[in-house]
Amino acid sequence: EPEVTQTPSHQVTQMGQEVILRCVPISNHLYFYWYRQILGQKVEFLVSFYNNEISEKSEIFDDQFSVERPDGSNFTLKIRSTKLEDSAMYFCASSEMTGLQETQYFGPGTRLLVL
Amino acid sequence: GNSVTQMEGPVTLSEEAFLTINCTYTATGYPSLFWYVQYPGEGLQLLLKATKADDKGSNKGFEATYRKETTSFHLEKGSVQVSDSAVYFCALGSSASKIIFGSGTRLSIRP
Repeated sequence: EPEVTQTPSHQVTQMGQEVILRCVPISNHLYFYWYRQILGQKVEFLVSFYNNEISEKSEIFDDQFSVERPDGSNFTLKIRSTKLEDSAMYFCASSEMTGLQETQYFGPGTRLLVL
Repeated sequence: GNSVTQMEGPVTLSEEAFLTINCTYTATGYPSLFWYVQYPGEGLQLLLKATKADDKGSNKGFEATYRKETTSFHLEKGSVQVSDSAVYFCALGSSASKIIFGSGTRLSIRP
């Protein structure tokens, strides 16, 4: 069964450093998403992406964040200058279509720790 | 705005017990409702979904019915197993792009 994959599974970085989290969505999916889950809190939407453009973003997704589809298979989330509060589990998701009723399929997550 | 409220955990049951995890929602429009499960050390997996009122989603012995009159989508299973131990998230499709999740309920099953 096709699945979303993410690398790395864990990342430790120093405050102020740049990190890039990588995702390979399901191959025939066209819509891509990032979510995060701070330890003990809800899973929160960050951004959605389609046709090389951001479709929707939350207030969390400020200028420190960016997303990119650098090639035909990868989808990345970059945090330019990490803060302590960026420590969280980051989930990538993808879907074939979009809409209120569409199912998003999630990857296993990358656990980011900012020291 | 749209939101999801689910019962707080942790929930601890004995094997073969009946499970209910309550979930209520607030939404405009007619979103799909989902239950996702997160097993220890793994990502979010779709457990079941329902797309309209009175639909019942089911998978692996779990069921949930989309109740518009009570704005609920409670998760039930008749006989839980140790392997069901996980965190369960109720969620709804909030916009064309976004899923809103509840806070999660941790379930532990004793042998």
